[in-house]
Amino acid sequence: GQNIDQPTEMTATEGAIVQINCTYQTSGFNGLFWYQQHAGEAPTFLSYNVLDGLEEKGRFSSFLSRSKGYSYLLLKELQMKDSASYLCAVMDSNYQLIWGAGTKLIIKP
Amino acid sequence: DGGITQSPKYLFRKEGQNVTLSCEQNLNHDAMYWYRQDPGQGLRLIYYSQIVNDFQKGDIAEGYSVSREKKESFPLTVTSAQKNPTAFYLCASSIEGQGAPYNEQFFGPGTRLTVL
Repeated sequence: GQNIDQPTEMTATEGAIVQINCTYQTSGFNGLFWYQQHAGEAPTFLSYNVLDGLEEKGRFSSFLSRSKGYSYLLLKELQMKDSASYLCAVMDSNYQLIWGAGTKLIIKP
Repeated sequence: DGGITQSPKYLFRKEGQNVTLSCEQNLNHDAMYWYRQDPGQGLRLIYYSQIVNDFQKGDIAEGYSVSREKKESFPLTVTSAQKNPTAFYLCASSIEGQGAPYNEQFFGPGTRLTVL
């Protein structure tokens, strides 16, 4: 079956750095997405990786290793507004999006 | 402003009643999707549509129905056959259908349905 694993919850301190991991086992691979979702709101797009390596976008970076079925989202200079759930999603060989359960990130002052 | 709207934000229904959730987009996107989100679980695809007058079942279509009569609109009906309908429902759209790579999906604000 297809599976995406993320930690359920993480806690970090304002101003620090946090890395949220995502491992996947899917039938084929056509890209990996990261979305941010604040409680009770819609997910919003953060990043897309289809080739191995690091993609940097301001305070957020996303890394992909296709051979390891692994990605991470790196958040730097954490702010209180970064408290949210972070969803990892993989597009499989049929171009269907398979979603992880999300990682709830709690930022403490 | 372009975007996706869902209404209402909160919806309460009695068990056994059908209910229709609205989703409208003015992004001129071809593809639209309905997801269900339950606590501790990933988004699960209910139905999707890549073009007007055509739609496909997702992973959990039983107990749901949709229509796509206009490009802008993709309403979802939760029927009485859906055994556990209480959930957060998200509508999304993308420029192209699911066969396209790099297919960023844009989401509406969601409807929280509670069946009493």
